[in-house]
Amino acid sequence: AQTVTQSQPEMSVQEAETVTLSCTYDTSESNYYLFWYKQPPSRQMILVIRQEAYKQQNATENRFSVNFQKAAKSFSLKISDSQLGDTAMYFCAFKGGGADGLTFGKGTHLIIQP
Amino acid sequence: KAGVTQTPRYLIKTRGQQVTLSCSPISGHRSVSWYQQTPGQGLQFLFEYFSETQRNKGNFPGRFSGRQFSNSRSEMNVSTLELGDSALYLCASSLGLAGGSETQYFGPGTRLLVL
Repeated sequence: AQTVTQSQPEMSVQEAETVTLSCTYDTSESNYYLFWYKQPPSRQMILVIRQEAYKQQNATENRFSVNFQKAAKSFSLKISDSQLGDTAMYFCAFKGGGADGLTFGKGTHLIIQP
Repeated sequence: KAGVTQTPRYLIKTRGQQVTLSCSPISGHRSVSWYQQTPGQGLQFLFEYFSETQRNKGNFPGRFSGRQFSNSRSEMNVSTLELGDSALYLCASSLGLAGGSETQYFGPGTRLLVL
């Protein structure tokens, strides 16, 4: 079974700073997909970014980028120029190549201070 | 395109009752997955439906069941409710392509409180 670990329960940074959220995972699969989801106080789960394991290039979406280290099984999220609206729970998630559901980490509560 | 919708948004039940939650996926999506979110256990996969068939099921007791209709809408049912079933139930839809590669998009959730 896959496991996803987020070692930072909570982080706090000032607006406009850059912050990196950590995620490690364990799997024996070679073909899989990794995601970062954001869950603001409204509890709506919003996709932030996605990475295919077979792609060496790190995914980027505007201010959000990942550092995907396949050998180390590490998948960190970098948020540049952080904004107050980035305040939320951030979940790292793993999906194997089959019909299994997403396996989530415990989440990191990110607080952006004005 | 409209997102994933879930009804009801909030629900209060008592122990021993049963409950049915509904999820309408994004138009064109054929796969629906359900997740339970609690403070203690976090986010856990319940089951996934594709073309009216359950493709996979998480580690939950048989009190948790679901189904999918021909229009891809899905329902999940919890019978004989227990206090520990209080949770946010999230539904996610995806295209349902082979290989499980597609992204899942989530609904707003149904918050269930069992008294």
